[in-house]
Order: sequence, then C-alpha cells, then structure tokens
Amino acid sequence: TQLLEQSPQFLSIQEGENLTVYCNSSSVFSSLQWYRQEPGEGPVLLVTVVTGGEVKKLKRLTFQFGDARKDSSLHITAAQPGDTGLYLCAGASGGSYIPTFGRGTSLIVHP
Amino acid sequence: ETGVTQSPTHLIKTRGQQVTLRCSSQSGHNTVSWYQQALGQGPQFIFQYYREEENGRGNFPPRFSGLQFPNYSSELNVNALELDDSALYLCASSFGTSTYNEQFFGPGTRLTVL
Repeated sequence: TQLLEQSPQFLSIQEGENLTVYCNSSSVFSSLQWYRQEPGEGPVLLVTVVTGGEVKKLKRLTFQFGDARKDSSLHITAAQPGDTGLYLCAGASGGSYIPTFGRGTSLIVHP
Repeated sequence: ETGVTQSPTHLIKTRGQQVTLRCSSQSGHNTVSWYQQALGQGPQFIFQYYREEENGRGNFPPRFSGLQFPNYSSELNVNALELDDSALYLCASSFGTSTYNEQFFGPGTRLTVL
C-alpha cells in the first residue's frame, strides 16, 4: 500500500506570511497532484507534476516534485485569506488510475 | 458547461439500511470515480466506471457497488450500512481513465449513519 504523509497537519498564519507544506512517501510516483478543498466543496486540482525535480508556479504558489519522485512541496508566498482550505496531495504510479491521497494540510490564513 | 453535481447533499440513515447516491458527470466526460472522505482524512478511492463498466476498485467490501448509465451519470449503492460508513462521498468525472486526465469533483454527499 502506498502512503502519502502530509505535514504539517494544521497551519494557522497571518495574512502576508509565507508557508511551505510537504508531501512525503517511501514510494515512487509517476505523477503527483495537489488539490485545494474548501468546506462543503470537492477538491479542485491546482497542479500535476510528472518529472523529478520539476518546479511549477501558479501565481503565488510554487510546487516542486522531488528528484526521486517520492516527495513534493507546496510553497505559498504572501498568503491571503482566500488561500484558506485543505491542501491535499495525491500520487499515482505507472499507468494506475487509482490515486492515493494524503490526509491533507488544513490552512487558515487570518486577515 | 455544467459541472459535476451530486444528490442528495446530506443524508441520515441508520445501521443496516441501504443508500443510493447519485452523480451527474460533467458534459463530455465518460469516466466517473467515487471516493469516500472520512472526517480529517483524504479521499479514499472506492471504484471507477468507464463507459458503463467497472474499471478498477479500491479496498472496499462488496456491499459498496455502483452503476454507470449510458449518459455517463453514476450511482453508488451501499448495503448494510455501518457506523464507519459515515463520511463525505465524492464523485469525480474525467475524460478517460488515466490519472493524467484532470478529474473534476462534485461537492459531495454527506452521509451520517446512526
């Protein structure tokens, strides 16, 4: 069974601060996705990374896939209250269509 | 373009009962996946339907079953409900079965089993 460990589990910060959340596994993934889920909603895809060492930027969000494709990080610069939500990572191996989700990092950004 | 919709929004059942949850996929999508998200957990894959056939299954017992219809909408049926079945049930639609294809999630059905 592939496991994805996310840390920290909870994060409460002030508007304008920077933060990094992590997604780690002992398994190699062929692709890894980051989602944000808001209360009462389903997860929304933010990014998919597929190449070891890959870095992708989405406005103030920077995603990195580890060289060995076992881990990933999400960095948010100058966090805003609208960034509040549950950040989930999900990995898949080979041609699998079955993604494994982590437990998520719950982020609250205070104005 | 209509997004993924799920019904009902909330549901309360008692142990031993049966429940059917419904999902309408996004226009143009032929694949529906169902997930269970317990409180404080990430979504867990239940199964996937592609062109009306089950295309893969996670670690869930046979009392979890599903259907996909010709219009690609889908149902999740759970028999003999247990307290641990209380969760948010999410469906996600995509075009194709690969994890490289973006999945669009519905808002979920919150099931409470008493």
